[in-house]
Amino acid sequence: QKEVEQNSGPLSVPEGAIASLNCTYSDRGSQSFFWYRQYSGKSPELIMFIYSNGDKEDGRFTAQLNKASQYVSLLIRDSQPSDSATYLCAVMDSSYKLIFGSGTRLLVRP
Amino acid sequence: SAVISQKPSRDICQRGTSLTIQCQVDSQVTMMFWYRQQPGQSLTLIATANQGSEATYESGFVIDKFPISRPNLTFSTLTVSNMSPEDSSIYLCSVERTSGASRGNEQFFGPGTRLTVL
Repeated sequence: QKEVEQNSGPLSVPEGAIASLNCTYSDRGSQSFFWYRQYSGKSPELIMFIYSNGDKEDGRFTAQLNKASQYVSLLIRDSQPSDSATYLCAVMDSSYKLIFGSGTRLLVRP
Repeated sequence: SAVISQKPSRDICQRGTSLTIQCQVDSQVTMMFWYRQQPGQSLTLIATANQGSEATYESGFVIDKFPISRPNLTFSTLTVSNMSPEDSSIYLCSVERTSGASRGNEQFFGPGTRLTVL
C-alpha cells in the first residue's frame, strides 16, 4: 500500500512567520512531488512541484525534497491570513498515479 | 495551465438515480482523470479516462457504478449510477500537462461537482 503521510494540524502560525509543512511517502520509486492548496469549498490548486533533491523556490514558497529520507516539505515565508487553507502533499508513483496525503490545515493568525 | 470546467457545479439527487458529470478542457490533453473527495477527506483516484478506449479503474471502483466516456481529447464524462447517500462527495476531474510523450507532469483540477444524495 503506497502511502503519503501528513500531520492533519491545524498548524497555527502568526502573520509574518514561516509556516513549515511536512510530508513523508512510502514508495521509493516516486519521482514527482506536488503541493496543492485547497480553500474550503474549492478544488485543489497546484502551488509547487519538485522533481529533484534539494530546494526549489517560487516567491514566498520553497519546496524541499529529500529522496533518501522519503521526505518533502513546503515552507511559506511571510505567512498571510490568506494562506490559511488545507495543504495537500501529492506524490506521483511509478505508474504516474497521484497519491494524496490527507492534508495539513494551516491557520495564519492576524 | 489548462482551463477546466465541470457541469453541474452541484446537485442534490435521490437515492437510486444516476448523475452524469461533464468535464471540458480548453485545450487537447492526453491524460484526464476522475477523483472523489469525500467529506473531510483527501482525494482518491477513481479512474483514468482514456481517449478511444475503456477507462482504467482503480481498486474499489467499477465500470458499472462509475461509467466514464472520453470521446475526444478535450472532454470526458463520469456517471455516478444507482446512487446511495454514501456517494455524497465532491467529484473532480483533472488533466495532466501534456508535454510530448513524457509523463509525470503537473496535474490541474477542475472546480469540482458537489453531489448530495438523499
